[in-house]
Amino acid sequence: GNSVTQMEGPVTLSEEAFLTINCTYTATGYPSLFWYVQYPGEGLQLLLKATKADDKGSNKGFEATYRKETTSFHLEKGSVQVSDSAVYFCALSDRGGSYIPTFGRGTSLIVHP
Amino acid sequence: KAGVTQTPRYLIKTRGQQVTLSCSPISGHRSVSWYQQTPGQGLQFLFEYFSETQRNKGNFPGRFSGRQFSNSRSEMNVSTLELGDSALYLCASRLTGAEGDTQYFGPGTRLTVL
Repeated sequence: GNSVTQMEGPVTLSEEAFLTINCTYTATGYPSLFWYVQYPGEGLQLLLKATKADDKGSNKGFEATYRKETTSFHLEKGSVQVSDSAVYFCALSDRGGSYIPTFGRGTSLIVHP
Repeated sequence: KAGVTQTPRYLIKTRGQQVTLSCSPISGHRSVSWYQQTPGQGLQFLFEYFSETQRNKGNFPGRFSGRQFSNSRSEMNVSTLELGDSALYLCASRLTGAEGDTQYFGPGTRLTVL
């Protein structure tokens, strides 16, 4: 079956530091890949997505590249802000199947001023 | 467009009671899914409804049920509440077709069972 593995948190950074959150996946088909973000007390928001190999998703300074050869979709940001503090979820959706996404366990990011 | 809305936002119930949660999807979205989020288990898929029919189901006991109305609004019911049902319940809607791979989430209903 499908699965998503992401690095455990919390990840603690100082403001303006470089961020990487690792995500690897296992899927039988050609899934779409996502990063969702959850701010305290809120639901999940789509941060970015990529639908095929070598695609790069980007939004709000965050980027992730769909790497089929390494089955990875690592999230990066060059300079984090305190307002980026949240929980980040990597997910995949099997476009040839039910479309029900498989989520990773989430990685908490804490950014200090 | 208005986003996914969920009511109520917070609920406190006691063991043995039942509860109904409501979700209104984004206009034009016919698929509605429900998830349970807990610190221990993370995000777990409950079920998905499309055109008033349950299309997919996760691994939850029969105490968890749902339905969808003709306007795509959905309700989720949990009967005979247990302490372990305390969680954030998230509803998500999506389009069908080529853009159907993206879920749009509501703010959630925080259920506390005492």
